[in-house]
Amino acid sequence: EVQLLESGGGLVQPGGSLRLSCAASGFTFSTYAMIWVRQAPGKGLEWVSSIGVSGGSTYYADFVKGRFTISRDNSKNTLYLQMNSLRAEDTAIYYCARPSNGWYDYWGQGTLVTVSS
Amino acid sequence: EIVLTQSPATLSLSPGERATLSCRASQSVSSSLAWYQQKPGQAPRLLIHDASNRATGIPARFSGSGSGTDFTLTISSLEPEDFAVYYCLQRSNWPRTFGQGTKVEIK
Repeated sequence: EVQLLESGGGLVQPGGSLRLSCAASGFTFSTYAMIWVRQAPGKGLEWVSSIGVSGGSTYYADFVKGRFTISRDNSKNTLYLQMNSLRAEDTAIYYCARPSNGWYDYWGQGTLVTVSS
Repeated sequence: EIVLTQSPATLSLSPGERATLSCRASQSVSSSLAWYQQKPGQAPRLLIHDASNRATGIPARFSGSGSGTDFTLTISSLEPEDFAVYYCLQRSNWPRTFGQGTKVEIK
């Protein structure tokens, strides 16, 4: 059974940093691209970042470019999102997801990031 | 960036009625569009991919159509569990983008 378990969310002050993790199991992690998607409270879904199977290809939404870094450790079956210079508008539930045939059909339960003083 | 505009924002219908949701892209995405359903407190669920292909386990009452810039998700006869928010997503270009969502609520 495919499982994705996010962790690392919490309360952080504006300008601070957090690192999110997504532990994967039930599939061969190293053969799938992965993504992060976020959802602010009461708002819609936003694609944040994608990473290729080896980590060599990464893509970012403009609103996180230069502040967030996506990475992966295939030996640990884990996806990461390093978030720096956090802003109030980054407050959201962050989901990791795995594609099948290019479309994201397995999602974690999400981890809540709150940026507030 | 490709902007996806969904309409209407809210659809008020009764169980058994037909729901028609629209997603319009600011430029062609060919057939690289998917539809997701999200219920409160849950992660999104993939319904339709490549514009018209039902994902695994999705009931036949859900269907998708369109290509280029105009897409439609149709729910032929609403079941109580179908009242939720629906999003479209394009993967034709970077950055990937979602529509702002359509809420299907009980009338």
